Amino acid sequence: AQSVAQPEDQVNVAEGNPLTVKCTYSVSGNPYLFWYVQYPNRGLQFLLKYITGDNLVKGSYGFEAEFNKSQTSFHLKKPSALVSDSALYFCAVRDMVGNFNKFYFGSGTKLNVKP
Amino acid sequence: SQTIHQWPATLVQPVGSPLSLECTVEGTSNPNLYWYRQAAGRGLQLLFYSIGIDQISSEVPQNLSASRPQDRQFILSSKKLLLSDSGFYLCAWSARQGEGYTFGSGTRLTVV
Repeated sequence: AQSVAQPEDQVNVAEGNPLTVKCTYSVSGNPYLFWYVQYPNRGLQFLLKYITGDNLVKGSYGFEAEFNKSQTSFHLKKPSALVSDSALYFCAVRDMVGNFNKFYFGSGTKLNVKP
Repeated sequence: SQTIHQWPATLVQPVGSPLSLECTVEGTSNPNLYWYRQAAGRGLQLLFYSIGIDQISSEVPQNLSASRPQDRQFILSSKKLLLSDSGFYLCAWSARQGEGYTFGSGTRLTVV
């Protein structure tokens, strides 16, 4: 079965500093990995995805993620954090069952960016 | 462009009352549709998914049911709400063999 794990419940970083939100995966076959962000009382918004190709994937709002096959990781990164980046971040893996997408989400990491 | 609408945004219901949450998608056809519940502001639990009209699959046994009377309409229901049904409910859609989900804005349900 496909799964992802987010080992950190919360990440605190100062504005202007680099940030990393960790995600590890366990999949059979090629992994299709995603990052989503959720602001309070809102739905999830897509940030970026890795399907194939370059290991460094660039996404929305200056975020990027690095796919590392040997470490089975897909950490989310940003060179310089903003206070407005404070939100809940979810890593997800896609499982295909016939024509059907089913996504499995991590438990979420709360990012706090302090001014 | 495709859009997804979910309503109501917030709902307070007494224990034992019925529930109906609605989700509609515009600008696409034959979408895969999903209902998720997010408890305590954290993990997402897949409740139901659908590949077509009247084709519903349930991930976990519970007090809720889902229906898809039209191609782009997905309804989450309960005949009698329990306190444990409180949470944030999210509808989502994806294209057939699509690469990602698009989520609705969510419904905050509080059962009192």
